[in-house]
Amino acid sequence: NAGVTQTPKFQVLKTGQSMTLQCAQDMNHNSMYWYRQDPGMGLRLIYYSASEGTTDKGEVPNGYNVSRLNKREFSLRLESAAPSQTSVYFCASGGTGTSDTGELFFGEGSRLTVL
Amino acid sequence: DAKTTQPPSMDCAEGRAANLPCNHSTISGNEYVYWYRQIHSQGPQYIIHGLKNNETNEMASLIITEDRKSSTLILPHATLRDTAVYYCIEKPSGSARQLTFGSGTQLTVLP
Repeated sequence: NAGVTQTPKFQVLKTGQSMTLQCAQDMNHNSMYWYRQDPGMGLRLIYYSASEGTTDKGEVPNGYNVSRLNKREFSLRLESAAPSQTSVYFCASGGTGTSDTGELFFGEGSRLTVL
Repeated sequence: DAKTTQPPSMDCAEGRAANLPCNHSTISGNEYVYWYRQIHSQGPQYIIHGLKNNETNEMASLIITEDRKSSTLILPHATLRDTAVYYCIEKPSGSARQLTFGSGTQLTVLP
């Protein structure tokens, strides 16, 4: 039981390059989330998926796209990376229907630097 | 913007109880108080949550005032490994709505 797994853990991009952050969970959770955290700041929600087949914008969606590939996987794509997207990205999941306590489980983070 | 208010930092002596306050004066009737912590840039970790009754688990206790406008997270015997940023968050339980993180409280446990 790995929990929430994010790849890659580290990435350096040049401005304008594209990349996809991958997230997978093995806890049969319905909801999945992508957050970013800038140095010294709290987490801010980028996108979330309440269930397979649905996605919604969070607080800071501009410059990102997401795909809920199946119940396990939720990817975050940067189409044209900018230095302002240098951050640590966290994926989270939670909720198994009737037993949903609202607790979220987080991955270890993906550290992205855009030069 | 986060709807809770927490002190930016606190210190606590190792082995003593750490009491972390949180104000949530605009909390709605269906919103729970959740506490998470983040140890040195790791992913946040769930600690505890509650609606109006006090709650206790193996990690901590949560004391919520009768008017629900504030709460206190208690770590009964703080250790150096409890040094972290602690976040207090309002959210309806069992919903897919997102957690909204504020700046939290940096708790430093001193030897």
